[in-house]
Amino acid sequence: QVQLKESGPGLVQPSQTLSLTCTVSGFSLTSNSVHWVRQPPGKGLEWMGGIWGDGSTDYNSALKSRLSISRDTSKSQVFLKMNSLQTDDTAIYFCNRYYGYTYGFDYWGQGVMVTVSS
Amino acid sequence: DVVLTQSPATLSVTPGERISLSCRASESVDTYLHWYQQKPNESPRLLIKYASQSISGIPSRFSGSGSGTDFTLSINGVELEDLSIYYCQQGNSLPFTFGSGTKLEIK
Repeated sequence: QVQLKESGPGLVQPSQTLSLTCTVSGFSLTSNSVHWVRQPPGKGLEWMGGIWGDGSTDYNSALKSRLSISRDTSKSQVFLKMNSLQTDDTAIYFCNRYYGYTYGFDYWGQGVMVTVSS
Repeated sequence: DVVLTQSPATLSVTPGERISLSCRASESVDTYLHWYQQKPNESPRLLIKYASQSISGIPSRFSGSGSGTDFTLSINGVELEDLSIYYCQQGNSLPFTFGSGTKLEIK
């Protein structure tokens, strides 16, 4: 069955780089896209960016200068790196599968809480 | 960017009621509009895809309608387990965007 699971540090210091991993199972990264969505505490959902089946990427323009998404298909993993973190980057970070324009984000990981604090 | 405006922000309901939640787009998104349910401390769950298409495993009391800029999520007979925040999301153009959500509360 389709599963996604995020992993990474729960605490990051201001100005440092966040590195998260999304490990997937039940589907192929070369024929599906995986995206990252974040949610600050008590707030709504923000699409950050994603990597498509062909390996190309798209990013939210508000984060593009700080964000990088990559993958290792042999390990079924997708990576998020975001630099210059500030306190307003504190959020739950979700990875999910985008099955296509007519399907939306059909499977989500459990999310990982990241706190930016010294 | 496409802005999605959801209303109301909060809806107080009585179990058994039929209710409608609105999502309005700042420009046409055709029918590339999806709805998600998020319960406290859980990940969002896809509820309705492509404006009106049902999802396997989702109760039939949930339905969606609309096209272009105006969309509605309906719940025919609200149950206690439906108390959640509901988000719409457009997949017509990048960047993908979400509405700010409608929170369902018990009256």
